[in-house]
Amino acid sequence: EVQLVESGGGLAQPGRSLRLSCAASGFTFGDCAMHWVRQAPGKGLEWVSGISWNGGSIGYADSVRGRFTISRDNAKNSLYLQMDSLRADDTALYFCAKDMAAAIGYTDAFDIWGQGTLVTVSS
Amino acid sequence: QSALTQPRSVSGSPGQSVTISCTGTSSDVGSYNYVSWYQQHPGKAPKLMIYEVTKRPSGVPDRFSGSKFGNTASLTVSGLQAEDEADYYCSSYAGSNNLVFGGGTEVTVL
Repeated sequence: EVQLVESGGGLAQPGRSLRLSCAASGFTFGDCAMHWVRQAPGKGLEWVSGISWNGGSIGYADSVRGRFTISRDNAKNSLYLQMDSLRADDTALYFCAKDMAAAIGYTDAFDIWGQGTLVTVSS
Repeated sequence: QSALTQPRSVSGSPGQSVTISCTGTSSDVGSYNYVSWYQQHPGKAPKLMIYEVTKRPSGVPDRFSGSKFGNTASLTVSGLQAEDEADYYCSSYAGSNNLVFGGGTEVTVL
């Protein structure tokens, strides 16, 4: 079964860090670009970051650039998001999503999504 | 990276057609044929409905179709059904390894 399972969410104080993980199964993880997309409570989708199949190309939304770091381990079929200097407006459900292409800027269509992991930033 | 502009809501009766617009700029929608559309039911993960402006993934009914003219993309749902009631989001590549989503449109089946 094709599946993405996120973990690592929880409650963090402003200024602290969290590391999200996404475990992939059922497809060749190393052939696909991967992305993080978030959704604040009651709000719309926001693209956070993306990484090409080999990590050679990475992109970040302006709202997280310099604070978040995306990475992947193809040997472990896993995607990560290191979130530093967290702010209250980072509170959201974070989805991991599979790109139909190997690199960013080719299709940029997300055909597989996880169920999300909730991050709450509050003191 | 400004969000793409979508109407907040559209509605239609069963069997009718509705069209959702997604307006960007010459830096995103206008420059790339990498516009996608997602359907999201409450409490669920988004589902890909259209990619590369007009293509439908396997399993998506042909009632869903996409188009683009200039800086505006559109999603049309023909023969509206009750299960089509959901939130719909567009997205576009915006250059320099950046992507942008629209604000979302709530579709109501009357």
